Amino acid sequence: GQQLNQSPQSMFIQEGEDVSMNCTSSSIFNTWLWYKQDPGEGPVLLIALYKAGELTSNGRLTAQFGITRKDSFLNISASIPSDVGIYFCAGGEYGNKLVFGAGTILRVKS
Amino acid sequence: GAVVSQHPSRVICKSGTSVKIECRSLDFQATTMFWYRQFPKQSLMLMATSNEGSKATYEQGVEKDKFLINHASLTLSTLTVTSAHPEDSSFYICSAPRPGQGHGYTFGSGTRLTVV
Repeated sequence: GQQLNQSPQSMFIQEGEDVSMNCTSSSIFNTWLWYKQDPGEGPVLLIALYKAGELTSNGRLTAQFGITRKDSFLNISASIPSDVGIYFCAGGEYGNKLVFGAGTILRVKS
Repeated sequence: GAVVSQHPSRVICKSGTSVKIECRSLDFQATTMFWYRQFPKQSLMLMATSNEGSKATYEQGVEKDKFLINHASLTLSTLTVTSAHPEDSSFYICSAPRPGQGHGYTFGSGTRLTVV
């Protein structure tokens, strides 16, 4: 079945540092999504990507849809304490089910 | 816009009882609803896909008689965990495609189920 490999599993960084995480897939996806989840809450969409090669920013967040359609990365610039949480990548086709990565736990030292 | 309201947010039930979780699309019509389960420190795993007016599609290994899904209207999908056991304790989350391609998916806030 479809699998996503998300790395790193966790990060403990200093406030102000930049963060980078990525996902690779064994299958081609037409959609890549990045979500953040706080404890006890549902995932919240950060960035959605629908076109191979697409580079999209949302404030301090930047994500790219890999040209092969099998990978995506998320960068967070100048991290702040409220960036703490679990970040998930997800791939799929619009309207169809999503496959989620295992998540990246982000901790920020202030 | 495109909000999914999920209730209850937390529920504790006794083994052997049934629990119903509701997801309502508040400002759009959700013809499809995805139901995920998330165990502690793990990712979201799709359980089933419900489509309004038809039978749900279950993922491999998910018991359809145990996890009853109903999608009787365009704004309401329900998941009923029947004869709950402690191993069913988990975080259950629903999700629907946002209307209009290119707008991703919207998630409910999740239901923390604890079976004692």
